[in-house]
Amino acid sequence: GAGVSQSPRYKVAKRGQDVALRCDPISGHVSLFWYQQALGQGPEFLTYFQNEAQLDKSGLPSDRFFAERPEGSVSTLKIQRTQQEDSAVYLCASSLVGSGGLDEQYFGPGTRLTVT
Amino acid sequence: DQQVKQNSPSLSVQEGRISILNCDYTNSMFDYFLWYKKYPAEGPTFLISISSIKDKNEDGRFTVFLNKSAKHLSLHIVPSQPGDSAVYFCAARGVKAAGNKLTFGGGTRVLVKP
Repeated sequence: GAGVSQSPRYKVAKRGQDVALRCDPISGHVSLFWYQQALGQGPEFLTYFQNEAQLDKSGLPSDRFFAERPEGSVSTLKIQRTQQEDSAVYLCASSLVGSGGLDEQYFGPGTRLTVT
Repeated sequence: DQQVKQNSPSLSVQEGRISILNCDYTNSMFDYFLWYKKYPAEGPTFLISISSIKDKNEDGRFTVFLNKSAKHLSLHIVPSQPGDSAVYFCAARGVKAAGNKLTFGGGTRVLVKP
């Protein structure tokens, strides 16, 4: 079956440009997460959706970062006025159950963002 | 502050021998722990998990041990195979906290030599 897909896989942006990263979770998965992985480090939590509701956005580093999941399936992470420190791999993950359930998260391949 | 730490950035082991990966955590609210494996240009894939009510979980060649008092867990791979060469991430989740977000360690790169 289809896993989590992300597009684009690679994105180069000039500093100051806006970017939009897309995530298609596994069909029927309730929970969707965005993580940021800097080079040589582990993924760091950005935000969490349960269906269309954004229940936790505590990891978003600044108000330049915005995420949405309007119909409870596809999600978009938008970064405005990109800066060099935004360069990272952005990972999306989905899981079947909602908050409080114990199931693993399935990760997409990530979008590698390079800000020049 | 890093709540989940993997103090060994890399590990090299001979095929057929045991690989032992270590992970320490500081947050006592964590009560569910997972190991993920990551190949280059791919997302992390789930390997094995353990709840805090257990001290050991085994799945084929992979065993995870949890020492709650020491806030330490380890992953044993035996026997190690060349296909196990990857980066391994330890992750933790506080089930009673809002959401199911994972807190990851920095990863350990494992190289299994044939």
